[in-house]
Amino acid sequence: EVQLVESGGGLVQPGRSLRLSCAASGFTFDDYAMHWVRQAPGKGLEWVSGISWNSGSIGYADSVKGRFTISRDNAKNSLYLQMNSLRAEDTALYYCAKDNGDLPADAFDIWGQGTMVTVSS
Amino acid sequence: QSALTQPASVSGSPGQSITISCTGTSSDVGSYNLVSWYQQHPGKAPKLMIYEGSKRPSGVSNRFSGSKSGNTASLTISGLQAEDEADYYCCSYAGSRDVVFGGGTKLTVL
Repeated sequence: EVQLVESGGGLVQPGRSLRLSCAASGFTFDDYAMHWVRQAPGKGLEWVSGISWNSGSIGYADSVKGRFTISRDNAKNSLYLQMNSLRAEDTALYYCAKDNGDLPADAFDIWGQGTMVTVSS
Repeated sequence: QSALTQPASVSGSPGQSITISCTGTSSDVGSYNLVSWYQQHPGKAPKLMIYEGSKRPSGVSNRFSGSKSGNTASLTISGLQAEDEADYYCCSYAGSRDVVFGGGTKLTVL
């Protein structure tokens, strides 16, 4: 079964850091690009970051550029999002999503169930 | 990275057809054949319905179709059913490793 399972969310104070993880199974992880997409409570979807199959191509939304870092470990079938200098507006459900191509540009064909990040003092 | 523009809501009766528009710019929707559409039911993860403008993933009903003209993409749902009631989001590649979503459209089946 193709599956993505996120972890690492929680309650964190403004200015602190958090690292999200996404464990992939059921497909050849290193054949595909991967993404993080978030959804603030009651709001729409926002693309956060994407990474190509070999980490050679990486993109970030302007809202997180310079604060978030995406990475992957193909040996561990895992995707990560290091989030620094967190702000209240980063509060959201963070989804891990598989691209249907090897570059982070096509479509998100598999989604995890999300991990909630709450930034509050 | 401006969000794509979608109507906030659309509605239709069972059996009817509806179309949701998604307007971008010549830097995103107009430049790439990489528009995708997602369906999201309350409390659930999004589901891919259309990719590369008009292609349907395996398992998605052929009642769902996508198209594009200039800077505007469209999702059409024919033979509307109660289970189609959900939020729908468009998404486009915007060049330079950038991706942008639309604001979402709430579909109500009357």
